[in-house]
Amino acid sequence: SQTIHQWPATLVQPVGSPLSLECTVEGTSNPNLYWYRQAAGRGLQLLFYSVGIGQISSEVPQNLSASRPQDRQFILSSKKLLLSDSGFYLCAWIWGRGETQYFGPGTRLLVL
Amino acid sequence: GQNIDQPTEMTATEGAIVQINCTYQTSGFNGLFWYQQHAGEAPTFLSYNVLDGLEEKGRFSSFLSRSKGYSYLLLKELQMKDSASYLCAVRTGGYQKVTFGTGTKLQVIP
Repeated sequence: SQTIHQWPATLVQPVGSPLSLECTVEGTSNPNLYWYRQAAGRGLQLLFYSVGIGQISSEVPQNLSASRPQDRQFILSSKKLLLSDSGFYLCAWIWGRGETQYFGPGTRLLVL
Repeated sequence: GQNIDQPTEMTATEGAIVQINCTYQTSGFNGLFWYQQHAGEAPTFLSYNVLDGLEEKGRFSSFLSRSKGYSYLLLKELQMKDSASYLCAVRTGGYQKVTFGTGTKLQVIP
């Protein structure tokens, strides 16, 4: 069966510090991978998606970046966090033309 | 770009039926998802529609009209545990990009 992992579960970081969030998927190959952010009480904002190793599509120009160094690994990074980066970060995957998008447990980030 | 609209909040009574609407304006439509999200948790998949018509899964049904850019999620025999946010998401662009609406917060009252 397929499993998606995210870590850490919770993170508190000072403004201006770097960020690295990791997402890994088990039990599937060549998935489409997604990073979303959800601000408190708001909907999901698509940040990045990837259809393969090294292939990243950016949806929102900002101080975040994403990388896909391996087929089942998706990393979200920042060199300098802003207060507005606080939120609930969710990784998700779909296999090809699959009919279900699966979400990881999420990372709750608070920037102070 | 995509424009996906849902009502912000709804209230319904336990045991009743509620319909949550979603309208969208997109190019390259390739399917519509519905998710349930309880506070503080990740979304969980409810349904997927790619063709026009009604898909039924137990107490939950989802309808799609591609020509009208319209979908709804129907919840029957409401239970208190159905209090959650319901998210509509549209897939476009060669089965790659999935974009969410703002979500509808449903409160079920006794």
